[in-house]
Amino acid sequence: AQRVTQPEKLLSVFKGAPVELKCNYSYSGSPELFWYVQYSRQRLQLLLRHISRESIKGFTADLNKGETSFHLKKPFAQEEDSAMYYCALSGLNTGGFKTIFGAGTRLFVKA
Amino acid sequence: DVKVTQSSRYLVKRTGEKVFLECVQDMDHENMFWYRQDPGLGLRLIYFSYDVKMKEKGDIPEGYSVSREKKERFSLILESASTNQTSMYLCASSPGLAVLAKNIQYFGAGTRLSVL
Repeated sequence: AQRVTQPEKLLSVFKGAPVELKCNYSYSGSPELFWYVQYSRQRLQLLLRHISRESIKGFTADLNKGETSFHLKKPFAQEEDSAMYYCALSGLNTGGFKTIFGAGTRLFVKA
Repeated sequence: DVKVTQSSRYLVKRTGEKVFLECVQDMDHENMFWYRQDPGLGLRLIYFSYDVKMKEKGDIPEGYSVSREKKERFSLILESASTNQTSMYLCASSPGLAVLAKNIQYFGAGTRLSVL
């Protein structure tokens, strides 16, 4: 079965510290992986996707097919990074246009 | 910018009432979705639609129905609201499935529904 697991419901770090939000997935085939973010009082929006291999707001994520992981990383956390983060996957086995979301990790960056 | 608009930010309804949640998108997207967002449970797909008048059940369709009469509009209907349907409801749209990597979902601001 296709599944996205985010093991941490809450992650709290100090400003300037490195942050890693974990994401593991279960999927037969080659999925597309995404990270979505929801800042306070804002709508859920795409942060980045693995196919783009881009860095957005200092965040990067590497797809590790061997470990079936897609962890989100940032070397130096900022207070404005505090938000809810969802890992998600899409693929032909999900029905194509469907996206499966993890339960989310709330990141809290302390001053 | 893609715009997905949900008709209400907050709704308070009574048990047993019929509730309509409306969603409109302005980017000519084929696909539209309704999710529930609950703490600790993430986003759970209720229903989705990949074309006008087409609908598919998601993971938690019980107690809900949907309507898509026009491409830009996707309505979620609670036939008889119950207290366990108190939640944040998110509407989303995405373009047609040409390339999976472009299967980005665009979300509305959400409707927080309280059923008393």
